[in-house]
Amino acid sequence: AQSVAQPEDQVNVAEGNPLTVKCTYSVSGNPYLFWYVQYPNRGLQFLLKYITGDNLVKGSYGFEAEFNKSQTSFHLKKPSALVSDSALYFCAVRDLMIKAAGNKLTFGGGTRVLVKP
Amino acid sequence: DGGITQSPKYLFRKEGQNVTLSCEQNLNHDAMYWYRQDPGQGLRLIYYSQIVNDFQKGDIAEGYSVSREKKESFPLTVTSAQKNPTAFYLCASRIGNQPQHFGDGTRLSIL
Repeated sequence: AQSVAQPEDQVNVAEGNPLTVKCTYSVSGNPYLFWYVQYPNRGLQFLLKYITGDNLVKGSYGFEAEFNKSQTSFHLKKPSALVSDSALYFCAVRDLMIKAAGNKLTFGGGTRVLVKP
Repeated sequence: DGGITQSPKYLFRKEGQNVTLSCEQNLNHDAMYWYRQDPGQGLRLIYYSQIVNDFQKGDIAEGYSVSREKKESFPLTVTSAQKNPTAFYLCASRIGNQPQHFGDGTRLSIL
């Protein structure tokens, strides 16, 4: 089975400070990992993904994420947060070993980010 | 512009009533998905379809039904058997190994 945990319901950060949103995962094989962002009453927008290669993945809007296989983590980071980064962030995983029909993703519960001016 | 269109944006259901949520995509994606979002619970998969005329139950299919008669369309019916339908419903589509692409959702409430 595949699972994702986002241990923090909310992260508060001052504008200009570094932002980190934590994600850990559990899979049987190799993971295919994603980060999405959601603004109020909108769908999810894709930020970045990791499937293989460099452990540091760069994505949209200045976000990046670091894949750590030994810690089974995929934390999202941004060096300098903006007020406009305030949103709900979701981590998701798919187990590449499982030939599950439909390429189903498992989502974490989400982390609300609040960036204060 | 290509994308996924969900309609309506807001929907109200009376007791004992079935309602249908629309999802249309012009991305030429093969796979389509329906998710339910409740506060603090992330997204849960209701149904998915990989090709026309075929669909599979997700983790919480009870009280819901779908059809996939056209590649572009994947409507979701919330039946009267779904006793707690109030939620935000999201439709997504995907092609190959690319990330799922989401619509802007339908918020369903009970009158």
